Amino acid sequence: SQTIHQWPATLVQPVGSPLSLECTVEGTSNPNLYWYRQAAGRGLQLLFYSVGIGQISSEVPQNLSASRPQDRQFILSSKKLLLSDSGFYLCACGRVGGYTFGSGTRLTVV
Amino acid sequence: KQEVTQIPAALSVPEGENLVLNCSFTDSAIYNLQWFRQDPGKGLTSLLLIQSSQREQTSGRLNASLDKSSGRSTLYIAASQPGDSATYLCAVINSNSGYALNFGKGTSLLVTP
Repeated sequence: SQTIHQWPATLVQPVGSPLSLECTVEGTSNPNLYWYRQAAGRGLQLLFYSVGIGQISSEVPQNLSASRPQDRQFILSSKKLLLSDSGFYLCACGRVGGYTFGSGTRLTVV
Repeated sequence: KQEVTQIPAALSVPEGENLVLNCSFTDSAIYNLQWFRQDPGKGLTSLLLIQSSQREQTSGRLNASLDKSSGRSTLYIAASQPGDSATYLCAVINSNSGYALNFGKGTSLLVTP
């Protein structure tokens, strides 16, 4: 079965600082990968998805970006964080047959 | 665009009760539907996956049904326990967005001893 490693678990960053969140997958190859954000009082919002190395699609305009340098590595980045970037970020992998989520990163921008 | 709605938003029941959580979706052209559990501050744990050709799935005290044509799913929890307290999320998959999961906002369940 597939396992997702996501780090760090919590992060407090000042406004305007850069961000890098990493997610790695074990137990599968060529998975679809996803970044979601869960803000307080809101549902899970899809931010980016990737169907292969170097292939990134963005769902919402924002100051975040994503990259997939290797088959089982997915990175979420920002050059300058905003207060509105605070939230719980979740990485997921899978296909139609089922999805697995990482344990998430709680990001607080201060 | 697919919209997923979960009712109720919150639910409090005494231990031992049977309960039903509801999920509806606007676009019936789904591949499958998945129920998740989320504990506070944690990631998502998959509970049940129902393929579009299936009507229900069971795991222990959990039973999920799917009526694809009417755009509805229910999660039935039998003999609830305090350890069942969590947020339950329903998600469907369409062919758009790389087959990403579309989530409802969840039902927050509290089971009191």
